[in-house]
Amino acid sequence: DTAVSQTPKYLVTQMGNDKSIKCEQNLGHDTMYWYKQDSKKFLKIMFSYNNKELIINETVPNRFSPKSPDKAHLNLHINSLELGDSAVYFCASSQARGQAVDNLSGLFFGSGTQLSVL
Amino acid sequence: GEDVEQSLFLSVREGDSSVINCTYTDSSSTYLYWYKQEPGAGLQLLTYIFSNMDMKQDQRLTVLLNKKDKHLSLRIADTQTGDSAIYFCAEGSYNFNKFYFGSGTKLNVKP
Repeated sequence: DTAVSQTPKYLVTQMGNDKSIKCEQNLGHDTMYWYKQDSKKFLKIMFSYNNKELIINETVPNRFSPKSPDKAHLNLHINSLELGDSAVYFCASSQARGQAVDNLSGLFFGSGTQLSVL
Repeated sequence: GEDVEQSLFLSVREGDSSVINCTYTDSSSTYLYWYKQEPGAGLQLLTYIFSNMDMKQDQRLTVLLNKKDKHLSLRIADTQTGDSAIYFCAEGSYNFNKFYFGSGTKLNVKP
């Protein structure tokens, strides 16, 4: 199926641990993103990569390190997890600029990874 | 910086129309979007409008854009219980592939 898929769906871990979330899209999009959704459902962009290059880094602590081995993958590694990192993390992708037409414009989201730091 | 605002809650009865409102600040936005999020799921693109349009209709959904006031609305006709979800307004500019979301409006549809 064509989609944005991210794993794992649930992640429960202790404070201080290091964890990774993986994301893959097979939509042929050039740009991928990580968003964080807090308990109040507010959605905030964290990172954006275009063709494996970082183009947006929105004041995210450097404990968070995205890695894009190719344009179809964007993984998120988090070091020294803190209680405040508990949230739902969404991966998304979009077409590169100038190519968005009709219902292919906009962001396509994965189903989210619920991270709980204990 | 960019700011997108929505009211947090809306409650309607089944069969009524729902209107969800949104205001934004970035006049350079190229597209404005409505996303739907059901419990435990990701965001699903419902509809979008290009910034040079005033209105877009798609079956039960009508999007109105007042560019002068930077106001966007989503009207859902004949609202059904399955429409209960959180609706996010978002603005996007393809200059840098940025998207900014509102805080979401939780729509509750009562039978």
